[in-house]
Amino acid sequence: AQSVSQHNHHVILSEAASLELGCNYSYGGTVNLFWYVQYPGQHLQLLLKYFSGDPLVKGIKGFEAEFIKSKFSFNLRKPSVQWSDTAEYFCAVIGGSGTYKYIFGTGTRLKVLA
Amino acid sequence: EAGVTQSPTHLIKTRGQQATLRCSPISGHTSVYWYQQALGLGLQFLLWYDEGEERNRGNFPPRFSGRQFPNYSSELNVNALELEDSALYLCASKDGGSSFGELFFGEGSRLTVL
Repeated sequence: AQSVSQHNHHVILSEAASLELGCNYSYGGTVNLFWYVQYPGQHLQLLLKYFSGDPLVKGIKGFEAEFIKSKFSFNLRKPSVQWSDTAEYFCAVIGGSGTYKYIFGTGTRLKVLA
Repeated sequence: EAGVTQSPTHLIKTRGQQATLRCSPISGHTSVYWYQQALGLGLQFLLWYDEGEERNRGNFPPRFSGRQFPNYSSELNVNALELEDSALYLCASKDGGSSFGELFFGEGSRLTVL
């Protein structure tokens, strides 16, 4: 069965610090990977996605993620965070085999201190 | 373009009652997903509807059910409410023609069971 693990539940950083949020998935077949973000008081929205090709994908607001197939990982990174990046971040995977279930991780709450 | 809309925004029920939550997808989207977001548990997959049919369901008891109407709007029903059903219920829609496409989320319906 598909599953997604996010190991960091709460992260606190100062502005300009670098960010890396871990995401590991469990699925043996072809996967498509996503990071979604939920800013305070707003609905979930897509940050970036990986379908195929270059394993380093770039998203909005300077975020990027790297798909490492051998490690079943899709970690989210940002070189320099801003106070406005304070939000909850969710990793998600959708696998094939006809199920197309979108499975989300438990989320990481990021707080950026000004 | 109108986004995904959910109603009601808040709902308070007592144990044993039934709750009905509604979702209108983005125009043109035929797939609707339902998730339960309880504190600390991330997004738990509930149900997926596409073209009026239930395509998959998560590990929830049968008292969680729903349906999708001909106009692709959807309804989630929770029978015999229990205290642990208190959560934010999120609906998301997707272009059904895109198997691995982006999910667009609504603001959610917060259900409180007393």
